[in-house]
Amino acid sequence: DQQVKQNSPSLSVQEGRISILNCDYTNSMFDYFLWYKKYPAEGPTFLISISSIKDKNEDGRFTVFLNKSAKHLSLHIVPSQPGDSAVYFCAASDSNYQLIWGAGTKLIIKP
Amino acid sequence: DSGVTQTPKHLITATGQRVTLRCSPRSGDLSVYWYQQSLDQGLQFLIQYYNGEERAKGNILERFSAQQFPDLHSELNLSSLELGDSALYFCASSGVRDEQYFGPGTRLTVT
Repeated sequence: DQQVKQNSPSLSVQEGRISILNCDYTNSMFDYFLWYKKYPAEGPTFLISISSIKDKNEDGRFTVFLNKSAKHLSLHIVPSQPGDSAVYFCAASDSNYQLIWGAGTKLIIKP
Repeated sequence: DSGVTQTPKHLITATGQRVTLRCSPRSGDLSVYWYQQSLDQGLQFLIQYYNGEERAKGNILERFSAQQFPDLHSELNLSSLELGDSALYFCASSGVRDEQYFGPGTRLTVT
């Protein structure tokens, strides 16, 4: 039972344009959501998070949107840069602070 | 640099052997997590320790075990190794909330 789903295994975006990565979840008890970025053979790096009491959180080029009624969150990267090419993981946690991970989306930024 | 260290970086061993992977969390973090990432797969949560005690178990095989010591470093023991155990093993630590910070990983190759 996948509680956190990233339905797009890969996404290709032109450099300078907006990248939108999506994530859906099923457990309404999740109250904190995180995005991680991972380069090959390296550990994931924390990018940005959002609490369920908010619907938007912004940090530089990265913005996360949360739609609780749809149980959907998205990560927007504007403008996309070549260094953004990586695998992006969405994760969610409940009151037990356990992270449930999505399968990841591979983002490819084309020059 | 996340502040989480893992040793060794690479490990090559034969089937049937036993190995120990070591992790030192970020200063002040009480929680340590272990993950496995097989070739191009997502992150598989193995086990979590909090201040020396096991807090959560994921998809950890019975041949695998872990512990967290009084100085908060952790070790993951893998025994009776099989070819399928070849993977990247990541350790992460966290403090107050859910944001986990990952180490660089140990690449295990079983031949």
